[in-house]
Amino acid sequence: GAVVSQHPSRVICKSGTSVKIECRSLDFQATTMFWYRQFPKQSLMLMATSNEGSKATYEQGVEKDKFLINHASLTLSTLTVTSAHPEDSSFYICSARALGEYEQYFGPGTRLTVT
Amino acid sequence: AQKVTQAQTEISVVEKEDVTLDCVYETRDTTYYLFWYKQPPSGELVFLIRRNSFDEQNEISGRYSWNFQKSTSSFNFTITASQVVDSAVYFCALSEGGYGGSQGNLIFGKGTKLSVKP
Repeated sequence: GAVVSQHPSRVICKSGTSVKIECRSLDFQATTMFWYRQFPKQSLMLMATSNEGSKATYEQGVEKDKFLINHASLTLSTLTVTSAHPEDSSFYICSARALGEYEQYFGPGTRLTVT
Repeated sequence: AQKVTQAQTEISVVEKEDVTLDCVYETRDTTYYLFWYKQPPSGELVFLIRRNSFDEQNEISGRYSWNFQKSTSSFNFTITASQVVDSAVYFCALSEGGYGGSQGNLIFGKGTKLSVKP
């Protein structure tokens, strides 16, 4: 149990365009979802925390207008990278947590390349 | 402020050697959780273990063992008889406090890349 999927697994987009990444909890209801970014050979950095039905809480230094997060249901959160630039190229990983539980379950990640 | 330090950036061993990955953490909370994750080249994080701050018992799971010492704020991970499939980046992480809101966020160390050569 506790499976989290992400779609797409890889995406290449042109500079200036927007790209949406989906994170789904497949077999549980995720009241909280987390979005992380990982640059090559670096650690995971938390970008934002989203609770179902409310606005996401962004970490310091993360532009909320650039990285739009929507957590509209208990099984789906989306991250939209708007007006993408090459420096946004990274590995984006989501995780999900159920109400009353402590464990975070990670998705397989999405590799974004902006050309 | 919370912080996780993995001083070893890269480690290379030969198959069947034992290897220990170090993790030192900083936190002001008395209640916290420590984790180890494995990230193979595919990128997906694989959960290995979670420990809470009140449980200092060492744990062994097959070839894996963990040594939690609050006195030195360390949570080290040992792989005995390493295998090529153990090659990956290993992350230690810290989470403070209880449920909900900003609590429970994971703070990751920078990771240690382990290469096991045949």
